[in-house]
Amino acid sequence: GAVVSQHPSRVICKSGTSVKIECRSLDFQATTMFWYRQFPKQSLMLMATSNEGSKATYEQGVEKDKFLINHASLTLSTLTVTSAHPEDSSFYICSAGQPHGSNQPQHFGDGTRLSIL
Amino acid sequence: SQKIEQNSEALNIQEGKTATLTCNYTNYSPAYLQWYRQDPGRGPVFLLLIRENEKEKRKERLKVTFDTTLKQSLFHITASQPADSATYLCALGTNNAGNMLTFGGGTRLMVKP
Repeated sequence: GAVVSQHPSRVICKSGTSVKIECRSLDFQATTMFWYRQFPKQSLMLMATSNEGSKATYEQGVEKDKFLINHASLTLSTLTVTSAHPEDSSFYICSAGQPHGSNQPQHFGDGTRLSIL
Repeated sequence: SQKIEQNSEALNIQEGKTATLTCNYTNYSPAYLQWYRQDPGRGPVFLLLIRENEKEKRKERLKVTFDTTLKQSLFHITASQPADSATYLCALGTNNAGNMLTFGGGTRLMVKP
């Protein structure tokens, strides 16, 4: 089945550091990838939709200068949390949907646990 | 505003019984609904998809129903096993939003041996 790899799985860093998270679709091309944030015992909150070769679409309330998204190829999207602060600590998950229409399932990476000290 | 509700309280059942999880939505007209399983510290894994014109879908021990009049989906796991313990998320999508999904809060299922 379709595989999405997310890296790193865990990051612990000091406040003010910028952190880059990679999301790769390993066996299919993904024109669209999604980035979510999940707080403990809560659901996935969509942050942005990453579109290959164009600008990402951010959800209301998500700062695009804070969460930089780059989707430079059909198999790779990156999320950079710039100048991270403790309130940015969370579980970040990416997903990719296979092309050819809507109502396709999303394939998720295993998430990145970000802890800002 | 659009709202998707799943029982936030954990569902505890005995091994071998049928687990039934609910997903209710308001102010939404989904074209399809998906169910995912999420284990702690992992990303969600797709289980089943059901479209608005389908009443029921089955896959092995899993069954999903979709009632667009009641605005509700039910997710059943028959002959439940301790390995079925996880959080189950429902997600709704529309035909004009590509693959974008809106997720419910999830229900944690605990199957006791």
